[in-house]
Amino acid sequence: QKEVEQDPGPLSVPEGAIVSLNCTYSNSAFQYFMWYRQYSRKGPELLMYTYSSGNKEDGRFTAQVDKSSKYISLFIRDSQPSDSATYLCAMNSGNTPLVFGKGTRLSVIA
Amino acid sequence: EADIYQTPRYLVIGTGKKITLECSQTMGHDKMYWYQQDPGMELHLIHYSYGVNSTEKGDLSSESTVSRIRTEHFPLTLESARPSHTSQYLCASSDDSGGPEAFFGQGTRLTVV
Repeated sequence: QKEVEQDPGPLSVPEGAIVSLNCTYSNSAFQYFMWYRQYSRKGPELLMYTYSSGNKEDGRFTAQVDKSSKYISLFIRDSQPSDSATYLCAMNSGNTPLVFGKGTRLSVIA
Repeated sequence: EADIYQTPRYLVIGTGKKITLECSQTMGHDKMYWYQQDPGMELHLIHYSYGVNSTEKGDLSSESTVSRIRTEHFPLTLESARPSHTSQYLCASSDDSGGPEAFFGQGTRLTVV
């Protein structure tokens, strides 16, 4: 079993839709949970991170962590064509290198 | 904005050649990483370093080496390139005193023919 599972998609939504992206993980030592966005032929850029369980909101983006279920989510409200990218979840226990999911490829259609 | 630079951005090279992928960061971060990324696959950790003269192997490191002589510089070397090394290589850094997140360079797309 991989440490982090993420559905690679692709996911295609109309402009303005609410997007839900998810990851599950198996390592209960993970405490920091991150979401990265990666445009084609670019390096990943950090969107936001969350420590332990709970929610965090930044503009149109909301990250949720449920440690009891080992499940994390990223919600994108009012999605825009510029949100079209691959979204990668990543996590670690704080002092260890990040472990990544496969990434979900998202297309937002105008 | 993260200040981490990778060169070259693109490289096409013949089988058997020795290559070094460069990575530099100007943020003074202690920790640096090399990941390999194939299309539709997760990033695989190749090597990492937690400071000068400290290097560790990741999951996918057996055919490459790294060095960390200076804080800001973390080059990756392939002694003898093979077509199976064709991939995107991503360098990242993170700071103990900041958050746990890593900041990435733009990547090097390597093609071995």
